[in-house]
Amino acid sequence: DQQVKQNSPSLSVQEGRISILNCDYTNSMFDYFLWYKKYPAEGPTFLISISSIKDKNEDGRFTVFLNKSAKHLSLHIVPSQPGDSAVYFCAASSGYGQNFVFGPGTRLSVLP
Amino acid sequence: DTGVSQDPRHKITKRGQNVTFRCDPISEHNRLYWYRQTLGQGPEFLTYFQNEAQLEKSRLLSDRFSAERPKGSFSTLEIQRTEQGDSAMYLCASSLDPQGTEAFFGQGTRLTVV
Repeated sequence: DQQVKQNSPSLSVQEGRISILNCDYTNSMFDYFLWYKKYPAEGPTFLISISSIKDKNEDGRFTVFLNKSAKHLSLHIVPSQPGDSAVYFCAASSGYGQNFVFGPGTRLSVLP
Repeated sequence: DTGVSQDPRHKITKRGQNVTFRCDPISEHNRLYWYRQTLGQGPEFLTYFQNEAQLEKSRLLSDRFSAERPKGSFSTLEIQRTEQGDSAMYLCASSLDPQGTEAFFGQGTRLTVV
């Protein structure tokens, strides 16, 4: 049973436009959510996180939104840049310091 | 300290051989995680340590797998009697408790079992 889902395997966006990556989860015990970016042949790089007590967290071009009632979160990248082309993973944890459960990832391609 | 370091980066081994991977976390981080990633999937949790104590193991971690963190610093992951299904990227991550909850990943060790 996949607890963290990313239903779009890939997404293409024009440079300068907004990229929206979506993530759904099933475990209501999850209380901390993270987004990681991964380039080929590298480990995942932490991007941004959000606690379940918030519904929005912003860091520069990256904003994460959390809708607890829908068990849904999204990552917005504005404006998108070609260097943002990578695989993006959504991850969740329940309880402080517990292990992270990852989604299968969405490959973002930002076209110049 | 520049981040989480994993060694080797690549390992090719014959089926049935034993392999060992090493992870050096960020120096002040007391939590250390091992994940496995196969093509097209997200990282799957294997096990994690708080200092030298192994606190949780996934059911993915069969009895052929063992992990240690003897002095609460570096960690090793050993796979005995490797099988072709063990071919994957093995990722190590570390985090700082209690200040940080995000984990920082190394570049991984890619294992190919032939």
